[in-house]
Amino acid sequence: ETGVTQTPRHLVMGMTNKKSLKCEQHLGHNAMYWYKQSAKKPLELMFVYNFKEQTENNSVPSRFSPECPNSSHLFLHLHTLQPEDSALYLCASSPSTSGRAKNIQYFGAGTRLSVL
Amino acid sequence: GENVEQHPSTLSVQEGDSAVIKCTYSDSASNYFPWYKQELGKGPQLIIDIRSNVGEKKDQRIAVTLNKTAKHFSLHITETQPEDSAVYFCAASFTGNTPLVFGKGTRLSVIA
Repeated sequence: ETGVTQTPRHLVMGMTNKKSLKCEQHLGHNAMYWYKQSAKKPLELMFVYNFKEQTENNSVPSRFSPECPNSSHLFLHLHTLQPEDSALYLCASSPSTSGRAKNIQYFGAGTRLSVL
Repeated sequence: GENVEQHPSTLSVQEGDSAVIKCTYSDSASNYFPWYKQELGKGPQLIIDIRSNVGEKKDQRIAVTLNKTAKHFSLHITETQPEDSAVYFCAASFTGNTPLVFGKGTRLSVIA
């Protein structure tokens, strides 16, 4: 266990559904991240939160809506997704978003999302 | 921005042989280079990292080398074992506010 827990592990949804992915970290970190992992592509950074404040939105479509109520929890709300959004969504945390501590990222196991 | 290229995309080795995975980066300001291992059904796990002030770092059967002039770094796994089979990702960043940029990954298969 890495100390980063993601639920659900698998999710199948239709294009008109609304669903949410959840991430929780038990490491006392202050920064949390959402990544998208698609086959044969590099990990794509989606959002970064530091002390509950969003510090980066990597040109992600508005059908993905993040929420960070506190430093330990991160959500990704999904609405009217497209089939090409099917991927593994990974959450990560790090002690901070700057300096050496930023780079020590711990990943959860991911949510495998399939959009039909 | 930073761009990281990783090769090969797949690699098969016999158990006990060595495996080498190579990455190149584009931004000369990058100074931190981690390697992650992702096993089936799990998220990436940091296995070793190197900072630009050193040229080589070793941890048991795993070593990483860095050539700042050529802007490339490599992962070396010696005496490979079946449990080394996984997807390996390299990444690069500058320890400021820039995010980690990952390579596309290398699927390593160790054949018993």
